[in-house]
Amino acid sequence: DAKTTQPTSMDCAEGRAANLPCNHSTISGNEYVYWYRQIHSQGPQYIIHGLKNNETNEMASLIITEDRKSSTLILPHATLRDTAVYYCIVSDGGATNKLIFGTGTLLAVQP
Amino acid sequence: SQTIHQWPATLVQPVGSPLSLECTVEGTSNPNLYWYRQAAGRGLQLLFYSVGIGQISSEVPQNLSASRPQDRQFILSSKKLLLSDSGFYLCAWSEGRTNEKLFFGSGTQLSVL
Repeated sequence: DAKTTQPTSMDCAEGRAANLPCNHSTISGNEYVYWYRQIHSQGPQYIIHGLKNNETNEMASLIITEDRKSSTLILPHATLRDTAVYYCIVSDGGATNKLIFGTGTLLAVQP
Repeated sequence: SQTIHQWPATLVQPVGSPLSLECTVEGTSNPNLYWYRQAAGRGLQLLFYSVGIGQISSEVPQNLSASRPQDRQFILSSKKLLLSDSGFYLCAWSEGRTNEKLFFGSGTQLSVL
């Protein structure tokens, strides 16, 4: 079973920041938060991951609350090509690297 | 650089027929390999993963099997397909170390009729 809760869908205006929330209230101390996205009919694409510090890369920023029970993925300037299902996953990142995907959030970027 | 190949892109098979989907990875050694399935409108379900040649772990009981005959080859099979086997099948790989990201193939859309 997925250990995260995400809204089913969200809208965002093109050019604005998209903030995607994720609740993971039962996260363990050694579990990371991973974000992937899946554009329709394609394989998922890795976005970012973190343990407890905020992280930023060329795609997005990840903000993790101090108690680690929730996080937010931020796409700073959403484009139409960012329309996709976004998955928030928690995992201990063990050697098997198994990831259990939930149903994610469908982000629709509107022109 | 590493690449993952998965084929075919689409497949239509009758109920009761066999299945063989192949996935190969280039540019890396001893990767972890994974098979996921996505039913229409649903999330991704992990079916099998492998940490080495001949080592297969099954996540859910089902009508499918997996094999890893070579280091960078992962095969998903069935002797007799069911209607419920329809879905989008994705192969993925990761480096065989902790906390590594997964890289996915382009998927196979399987329709069992």
